[in-house]
Amino acid sequence: DAKTTQPPSMDCAEGRAANLPCNHSTISGNEYVYWYRQIHSQGPQYIIHGLKNNETNEMASLIITEDRKSSTLILPHATLRDTAVYYCIVRAAGDNNNDMRFGAGTRLTVKP
Amino acid sequence: DAGVTQSPTHLIKTRGQQVTLRCSPKSGHDTVSWYQQALGQGPQFIFQYYEEEERQRGNFPDRFSGHQFPNYSSELNVNALLLGDSALYLCASSLSQGANQPQHFGDGTRLSIL
Repeated sequence: DAKTTQPPSMDCAEGRAANLPCNHSTISGNEYVYWYRQIHSQGPQYIIHGLKNNETNEMASLIITEDRKSSTLILPHATLRDTAVYYCIVRAAGDNNNDMRFGAGTRLTVKP
Repeated sequence: DAGVTQSPTHLIKTRGQQVTLRCSPKSGHDTVSWYQQALGQGPQFIFQYYEEEERQRGNFPDRFSGHQFPNYSSELNVNALLLGDSALYLCASSLSQGANQPQHFGDGTRLSIL
């Protein structure tokens, strides 16, 4: 699976959009981009995933560049409860790719 | 609709003992994966069960074993516990094994080894 690179930490003002970047320059054509977040002492929470097209759900939007080498997770109106570690994961299709490979993630702090 | 549930939430054991952790998948899910998360690190994949068989395994010793039951629930067993096994153990379930199927996590079992 392709490796991902994320900034270790970011701050965001409450009510503003939080834009979390992820670099996956070695991604291949059958690899999905997944985003999870983990709030202290809870399990990781699934946010969104995509292959090529931009995706939006009730939690966030995922913007994938045309060359697929990077993506951005957008939380449109960040709240204090969005403070968490955010993980960007690239996951390939195939029988031996059933695991989610977590890196260190980005620690997002939403400030009042 | 219940999500992934794990039991117990906390557990304290001593070195050399054995432990069994339990997981009930989200309703409708048939695949269960187990992860270990050490303090300050991201979760690490242990293994995945589908159709009551271990389908894929991460880089963990044979002391770590598992089982999946016909109702899709699962157990993680760890023998001969070491101090380094202290961690948060997470269970995740999904609908089949496909890469397009997100895994949904429980809140884990916090295992402490004395």
